[in-house]
Amino acid sequence: NAGVTQTPKFRILKIGQSMTLQCTQDMNHNYMYWYRQDPGMGLKLIYYSVGAGITDKGEVPNGYNVSRSTTEDFPLRLELAAPSQTSVYFCASSSSASGANVLTFGAGSRLTVL
Amino acid sequence: DQQVKQNSPSLSVQEGRISILNCDYTNSMFDYFLWYKKYPAEGPTFLISISSIKDKNEDGRFTVFLNKSAKHLSLHIVPSQPGDSAVYFCAASDTGTASKLTFGTGTRLQVTL
Repeated sequence: NAGVTQTPKFRILKIGQSMTLQCTQDMNHNYMYWYRQDPGMGLKLIYYSVGAGITDKGEVPNGYNVSRSTTEDFPLRLELAAPSQTSVYFCASSSSASGANVLTFGAGSRLTVL
Repeated sequence: DQQVKQNSPSLSVQEGRISILNCDYTNSMFDYFLWYKKYPAEGPTFLISISSIKDKNEDGRFTVFLNKSAKHLSLHIVPSQPGDSAVYFCAASDTGTASKLTFGTGTRLQVTL
């Protein structure tokens, strides 16, 4: 059982380039999330989805886009990469938002924008 | 505005002793609190949670205490083991807002021999 799989693990981008971070979960979870973690900071929510076809903004959505065409996949698109988007990105999923919303995280994708 | 705060960036404890990690919050609408543990180059993993209607939850060596009046929670690890060395994140959720988790900045725990 793979859980939440993120690709790529590492990527270096030039300013102005675009890319997509892939996230797939095999637990049939309805809820999926993208967080970013900057050095010395907590995780900040970028976007989330409560089910296929439904997405919503989190705390720091600017410069990103998401889509949720299937239950399994929740890709994060960076358009016109900027140095401020240098961070570690974590995708997560959960089965239910009721009670303690226990998220299962992927291993992360480290992105550097130069 | 940091709604969940972990004011101690690091903590060092001897093996076998108690580790106490602290977390403060400002949003009185939070109804669940969770602790996550993170090793380098891995994603955070869930450790333990507590509902706002409880004041204590225990799971093996891990106990979380909640003081709602002080808006404060703490994670106790007894006894501490070298494998507990990691970054610990406190997180909180509000079921009124789709239970999105708000995280603290983390405390790096080092358990020494």
